Amino acid sequence: SQQGEEDPQALSIQEGENATMNCSYKTSINNLQWYRQNSGRGLVHLILIRSNEREKHSGRLRVTLDTSKKSSSLLITASRAADTASYFCATDASGGSNYKLTFGKGTLLTVNP
Amino acid sequence: KAGVTQTPRYLIKTRGQQVTLSCSPISGHRSVSWYQQTPGQGLQFLFEYFSETQRNKGNFPGRFSGRQFSNSRSEMNVSTLELGDSALYLCASSLGAGWSYEQYFGPGTRLTVT
Repeated sequence: SQQGEEDPQALSIQEGENATMNCSYKTSINNLQWYRQNSGRGLVHLILIRSNEREKHSGRLRVTLDTSKKSSSLLITASRAADTASYFCATDASGGSNYKLTFGKGTLLTVNP
Repeated sequence: KAGVTQTPRYLIKTRGQQVTLSCSPISGHRSVSWYQQTPGQGLQFLFEYFSETQRNKGNFPGRFSGRQFSNSRSEMNVSTLELGDSALYLCASSLGAGWSYEQYFGPGTRLTVT
């Protein structure tokens, strides 16, 4: 099963509205990252938040991390049509022999003009 | 600074053949990792290389192999191709080893196996 799971799987909003996506994970992490992917292209890094951080901002993006609930959320404020993309959270696993970056299945965000 | 480049961008192969994909990282980046993306399984980690050494490997069969050269460029090879290997293969580079660094992804190589 996936280490990171995004919720919802799909989200459709109007331009100007805020979009919130959630990510839950199973094992302890050192950090969590959010990425964006436009229609079958490469991923673009958005934000990295470390396990000792609770909140981070970058422009219109706000990421929170709750390690006690093993969850993170990505908020995009004042959304634009150009924000239409799939959003993925990625977590590392802080231990074990198979130390890798694990991606969730993503949230498909559609911003309607 | 030039981004991560992957060649070729598109590839069509027949079952049983082998394929080699190439990835050139951002200048100065010493870590390269590879991922397979399919609609059903999503993004799955294949390998991570740092300074020509494979540091981590995902749960893929031995038909999937890779290597990294002294200039940090990396290649991935898949032998005895199966239909299920059809996917978008992404490589990413980062400054350091491990997952505390942001990953810079290339555009991917779309492999179709017929």
